[in-house]
Amino acid sequence: KAGVTQTPRYLIKTRGQQVTLSCSPISGHRSVSWYQQTPGQGLQFLFEYFSETQRNKGNFPGRFSGRQFSNSRSEMNVSTLELGDSALYLCASSRTGEIVTGELFFGEGSRLTVL
Amino acid sequence: KQEVTQIPAALSVPEGENLVLNCSFTDSAIYNLQWFRQDPGKGLTSLLLIQSSQREQTSGRLNASLDKSSGRSTLYIAASQPGDSATYLCAATASGSARQLTFGSGTQLTVLP
Repeated sequence: KAGVTQTPRYLIKTRGQQVTLSCSPISGHRSVSWYQQTPGQGLQFLFEYFSETQRNKGNFPGRFSGRQFSNSRSEMNVSTLELGDSALYLCASSRTGEIVTGELFFGEGSRLTVL
Repeated sequence: KQEVTQIPAALSVPEGENLVLNCSFTDSAIYNLQWFRQDPGKGLTSLLLIQSSQREQTSGRLNASLDKSSGRSTLYIAASQPGDSATYLCAATASGSARQLTFGSGTQLTVLP
């Protein structure tokens, strides 16, 4: 059974550019959430999607956005990149859509470096 | 707002030793608590998930306990091995944010051969 797949694994951008990251959840999983991991702030929640709807959003500026497609694949976009956006972006999927979160399964992450 | 704390930040033990990692959270109205392992440069691997109605979960040499009233969880690793070396993170949900995990900063474990 394939795990959570994130692409690209590594990318380098310059300030002001935008970036799109992709996440394919485990087959049958309908919930996809995104986290940012930095040495200073640790892991912080970005947003969560279920059945193409954003259900929850963390405390990040509007430059961070995302969407989910009908096949549950998700993308996140960061516009007008800043140096502080350099981080490991992790995607996680979960089978359950119930109020009690099920076990989260993470991908390997996309490491973004902003120069 | 849920806050999760993990102490110690780093721990070094000789191979074969049993050890306990600690996790505390401020909002006891959690739906569940999950322990993860992260190897350098990698994503997170789920180790154990404890639902709010449970007191503990076991998987192989790992045992995680949950005490909601005191806002604490522990991860017990028996007979540690060098391959257990990694960063261990705990994460808790909070009331009103059932689908959002709040992570601790992790405990970096080194098991010396």
